[in-house]
Amino acid sequence: QSVLTQPPSVSEAPRQRVTISCSGSSSNIGNNAVNWYQQLPGKAPKLLIYYDDLLPSGVSDRFSGSKSGTSASLAISGLQSEDEADYYCAAWDDSLNGQVFGGGTKLTVL
Amino acid sequence: EVQLVESGGGLVQPGGSLRLSCAASGFTFSSYWMHWVRQAPGKGLVWVSRINSDGSSTSYADSVKGRFTISRDNAKNTLYLQMNSLRAEDTAVYYCARDLVCDYWGQGTLVTVSS
Repeated sequence: QSVLTQPPSVSEAPRQRVTISCSGSSSNIGNNAVNWYQQLPGKAPKLLIYYDDLLPSGVSDRFSGSKSGTSASLAISGLQSEDEADYYCAAWDDSLNGQVFGGGTKLTVL
Repeated sequence: EVQLVESGGGLVQPGGSLRLSCAASGFTFSSYWMHWVRQAPGKGLVWVSRINSDGSSTSYADSVKGRFTISRDNAKNTLYLQMNSLRAEDTAVYYCARDLVCDYWGQGTLVTVSS
């Protein structure tokens, strides 16, 4: 059981918008930055969003992040087939003195 | 170009030891915190450990505390993970990742703990 809670799967049609939620607590999301990672099948994870809502260089602006209280969200607009992947949220946890990941969300583009 | 290349994985018996390496290039290694993150087959990402830029500060997940040791050699641009008393549940692909936000990841090295 992961410290950060994500839905196991989401699906949406091409060109639509989807959001992935990440729920935590005051010791992690509520007090620290959230990062999001994309993992394509068989590949290493890739940083998608850092410090809650910042895009690394080279990442499409179809991806966006937000945070409110102890929850965070990743939004993907204009869905494309190549967005099919697993998505993970992560944050530092002050109580555990360690980084915690969500369980991951598998995105299917219908 | 930032590159992280893990090595040292393989098959080891329960109770055995293994040392993983992560060779870094394309950036000033000594300026960055580094992490180890693992992923069991078909499962999600799990953080293992992190070390600060000069090696003076380390943190570990409870599941590996006392068994694993993270270290680095900034002169060799290399990150290490010494894994002792290995268990079947340590079987995973081990990734090294750069910086507090894990902005770059290696391709991973597979560790299999089995008799």
